Amino acid sequence: GESVGLHLPTLSVQEGDNSIINCAYSNSASDYFIWYKQESGKGPQFIIDIRSNMDKRQGQRVTVLLNKTVKHLSLQIAATQPGDSAVYFCAENRGNSDNTGKLIFGQGTTLQVKP
Amino acid sequence: ETGVTQTPRHLVMGMTNKKSLKCEQHLGHNAMYWYKQSAKKPLELMFVYSLEERVENNSVPSRFSPECPNSSHLFLHLHTLQPEDSALYLCASSRSGAYTQYFGPGTRLTVL
Repeated sequence: GESVGLHLPTLSVQEGDNSIINCAYSNSASDYFIWYKQESGKGPQFIIDIRSNMDKRQGQRVTVLLNKTVKHLSLQIAATQPGDSAVYFCAENRGNSDNTGKLIFGQGTTLQVKP
Repeated sequence: ETGVTQTPRHLVMGMTNKKSLKCEQHLGHNAMYWYKQSAKKPLELMFVYSLEERVENNSVPSRFSPECPNSSHLFLHLHTLQPEDSALYLCASSRSGAYTQYFGPGTRLTVL
């Protein structure tokens, strides 16, 4: 079935530590995955994406890892800062035949950064 | 972030009211989306428009009526809503053929 899940609803980390947010997906046919960050009162903001033909992609302070064998996705944030406090969503794209996107979202993990 | 704007940001309406939500994208995209975000639930896709044609209606009740007059504007017309329709309504856009969607700030809707 279609579902994208996150392992933990809340993650609390110390400022300066690395954060790892996990996501499990169920559809092995999904070929694209994306992480969004949503701060209070704002819409989801694109962080990083990865296609299924890759297993790792790095951005600025963020890394996404994809393990297709166990259908697992993770977002790593290096040197976590207070501004990283937000809800993080993973999503898989199923796509429509006309090339529009069809994102299936997980529940979200709230990242709390302690000073 | 002004790529996708939504108005109003907050809306309170009674069950017999008619109101509309507006979304505008300034990114040159040609696909637009409406999502519903309720507390403790994943984002739910409601409608997809590509080149101003509706390509997906995700079993949304008819009290929600979308309109896409051009590739930059998207509306959601609301009519005789229920209290359980209270949620954050998000608009997003993307380029056709690209999977990354860019979201607006949302409209917080409360139905009394």
